[in-house]
Amino acid sequence: ETGVTQTPRHLVMGMTNKKSLKCEQHLGHNAMYWYKQSAKKPLELMFVYNFKEQTENNSVPSRFSPECPNSSHLFLHLHTLQPEDSALYLCASSQPGTGDGNTIYFGEGSWLTVV
Amino acid sequence: DAKTTQPTSMDCAEGRAANLPCNHSTISGNEYVYWYRQIHSQGPQYIIHGLKNNETNEMASLIITEDRKSSTLILPHATLRDTAVYYCIATGRDNTGKLIFGQGTTLQVKP
Repeated sequence: ETGVTQTPRHLVMGMTNKKSLKCEQHLGHNAMYWYKQSAKKPLELMFVYNFKEQTENNSVPSRFSPECPNSSHLFLHLHTLQPEDSALYLCASSQPGTGDGNTIYFGEGSWLTVV
Repeated sequence: DAKTTQPTSMDCAEGRAANLPCNHSTISGNEYVYWYRQIHSQGPQYIIHGLKNNETNEMASLIITEDRKSSTLILPHATLRDTAVYYCIATGRDNTGKLIFGQGTTLQVKP
């Protein structure tokens, strides 16, 4: 248990569906992240939120839409995805400004399959 | 962030020390060395980090050479549950978590 909870753990969706991934952290952190891990590829940073504000969008296609309503919750809204978007999506959090901003706590991930 | 180089894979016998090397010859003075690991199908887990002094915690020890161009992560008594991909990352201390993960080293602990 890392203090970062992701739901659902597994999701299968069609290319025309709209779904959302949810992340909640119980660590009191102010930064949250979405990472993507495709098969046999390194983790890729997608988005960074700092104090609810998006501070990084790593050239992610608009079919991925993040939302951060507060420092504890992060969503990734998915629509019109492609089969190549099938991957493990990881949420993470950390506490920037404390010297430990890079001590990141990851959730277990959401396995997404687009059919 | 400085580039890091790690062996693709390593084996270790259960109960023995696992020594995972990392080369970061272009590391700058204010960059730390972080280690994470990812057990199959799980999210990465923070292990340890250091600047220039050797560090130890309940999971592992980190040995950084005096010139800081390389480091070694040591798991003192490897178990089968330590089988994972280990990532070495060199980055500024408060880079707000924008970590760049490479391919890492796949450590296989064998009985």
